[in-house]
Amino acid sequence: DGGITQSPKYLFRKEGQNVTLSCEQNLNHDAMYWYRQDPGQGLRLIYYSQIVNDFQKGDIAEGYSVSREKKESFPLTVTSAQKNPTAFYLCASNFEGQGFYGYTFGSGTRLTVV
Amino acid sequence: GQQVMQIPQYQHVQEGEDFTTYCNSSTTLSNIQWYKQRPGGHPVFLIQLVKSGEVKKQKRLTFQFGEAKKNSSLHITATQTTDVGTYFCAAIIIQGAQKLVFGQGTRLTINP
Repeated sequence: DGGITQSPKYLFRKEGQNVTLSCEQNLNHDAMYWYRQDPGQGLRLIYYSQIVNDFQKGDIAEGYSVSREKKESFPLTVTSAQKNPTAFYLCASNFEGQGFYGYTFGSGTRLTVV
Repeated sequence: GQQVMQIPQYQHVQEGEDFTTYCNSSTTLSNIQWYKQRPGGHPVFLIQLVKSGEVKKQKRLTFQFGEAKKNSSLHITATQTTDVGTYFCAAIIIQGAQKLVFGQGTRLTINP
């Protein structure tokens, strides 16, 4: 079955460490997105990519970095510069053609700073 | 940037009661999408509205897009415990690339 796989499901980070969250999709979608969700809040866009080797900053990109070397993969690195990284991170993908389409989300990674 | 405002933030109902959440924008939207996120889960796409005044139904759920395409609503008739979760509206904003901007969500809890 096609879908988006995020790993790990839970991640614990020590202060000052960089961590990388994995996102892989087999939907053949061109566009991929990273969102952050804090408790009781909506989703905020961190980074997005419409095509391999290209990506753009979203609304809260500071302290994060991404790469898009393959169509299927869009990993997110939470750097030590991100002062409040504890959150639920969601990866999504979308088919971009004529018109608008619903986004498909992965099951998320819960990151906790210890 | 463009914002999508959603109310109420929380709603608690008795099972069998109706539920409505509202989504508003200060600017005209090209579309509105609705997602449901179960507790501990991830958002799942429910539906998309594109046309002015459009109304779509999915069983007990009714989705509406305003005539001016600045507001939308989701109405659930006779809630069931399976309806528990957070409902988000979202709009695709085109600023060079497509971006999906979410409302804050309405968390629905149900007393059985």
